[in-house]
Amino acid sequence: GIQVEQSPPDLILQEGANSTLRCNFSDSVNNLQWFHQNPWGQLINLFYIPSGTKQNGRLSATTVATERYSLLYISSSQTTDSGVYFCAPRGNQGGKLIFGQGTELSVKP
Amino acid sequence: GAVVSQHPSRVICKSGTSVKIECRSLDFQATTMFWYRQFPKQSLMLMATSNEGSKATYEQGVEKDKFLINHASLTLSTLTVTSAHPEDSSFYICSTTGSGYGYTFGSGTRLTVV
Repeated sequence: GIQVEQSPPDLILQEGANSTLRCNFSDSVNNLQWFHQNPWGQLINLFYIPSGTKQNGRLSATTVATERYSLLYISSSQTTDSGVYFCAPRGNQGGKLIFGQGTELSVKP
Repeated sequence: GAVVSQHPSRVICKSGTSVKIECRSLDFQATTMFWYRQFPKQSLMLMATSNEGSKATYEQGVEKDKFLINHASLTLSTLTVTSAHPEDSSFYICSTTGSGYGYTFGSGTRLTVV
């Protein structure tokens, strides 16, 4: 199955800073999503982005499918951005999302 | 947007008892439901996939007799942890597609077996 590697595993930011989270995957994908898990465990769907670039407010994501990676950009970070960010691609062979290990982000005031 | 209601949010049970977790799609039909387990500081691990009206498909290493999944209607799927043991303590999350918003997740159930 697909192997997913996210980096960095942990990240501490000062409020207002920008950051880039990376997701590498080992095989072709037909779906890739980024999720944010808040400190209470709720998963929020951020982007559906099998290829190309999308933006939603302070967040944007880019997936380069041919090079098998995706990036999540967070600009002007806020304390409410804290939590774990997961990348979850889905391979061409089946319908399961495979979650990476996540990047735990902590934004300090 | 689409909402998946998951209950209970938190449950403590005694070792050897069974616990049922419900996931209900509120404004759309959930033909397929995915059940995940998440241990502290770890990622989500898919346990099983259920389709309405048919038997669930379990991932390798997941005991189907211990984690009973029922998906009897298009809006309700349940996971029953039978004869729970302390090592079953975890965060259980359901997820479904079909809402038009990609994958939608329930709010999770934190199970503690004492």
